[in-house]
Amino acid sequence: SQTIHQWPATLVQPVGSPLSLECTVEGTSNPNLYWYRQAAGRGLQLLFYSVGIGQISSEVPQNLSASRPQDRQFILSSKKLLLSDSGFYLCAWGSGGQETQYFGPGTRLLVL
Amino acid sequence: DAKTTQPPSMDCAEGRAANLPCNHSTISGNEYVYWYRQIHSQGPQYIIHGLKNNETNEMASLIITEDRKSSTLILPHATLRDTAVYYCIVRAPGYGGATNKLIFGTGTLLAVQP
Repeated sequence: SQTIHQWPATLVQPVGSPLSLECTVEGTSNPNLYWYRQAAGRGLQLLFYSVGIGQISSEVPQNLSASRPQDRQFILSSKKLLLSDSGFYLCAWGSGGQETQYFGPGTRLLVL
Repeated sequence: DAKTTQPPSMDCAEGRAANLPCNHSTISGNEYVYWYRQIHSQGPQYIIHGLKNNETNEMASLIITEDRKSSTLILPHATLRDTAVYYCIVRAPGYGGATNKLIFGTGTLLAVQP
């Protein structure tokens, strides 16, 4: 069966510090991968998606970036965090024509 | 993607069936109805989806009206662990990319009472 992992689970970072969040998927090949952010009391915002290794598309301009160095690895990064980057970051994967998306456990980021 | 309307909250007694309604009166012919839930501080969990016919899996049943303008998610025997926010989403089938992004509304907070 397929599983999706995210780490770290929680993170407290000072403003201006770098960020690296990792997402890995097991049990599937060539998945579509997604990074979402969920701010407190709000819905999901799609940040990035990837349909293959090295292929990244950005939905919202921001100081975040994403990379996909391996088929089942998706990384979210920032060189300098802002207070507004605080939130709950969710990685999801999907595949197939109908593409149901399955979410990871999330990383809660607090920028102080 | 069509907009959905859900009640903000519902209560259900433990062991009873929980029936969560969703209105999607502007749904298009190729749009599916998806249900997810999010337990506090966890990632959203996929529950079930359907197009026209009623669907059932190990978690729940999905009843879609004949005109497809509304649906009901049924948890047959609710437990305390089913307390969560339940999201109803309608979306056309996609093949990867931005068109596949999930748009969650405010959902229904289901509180299962002991």
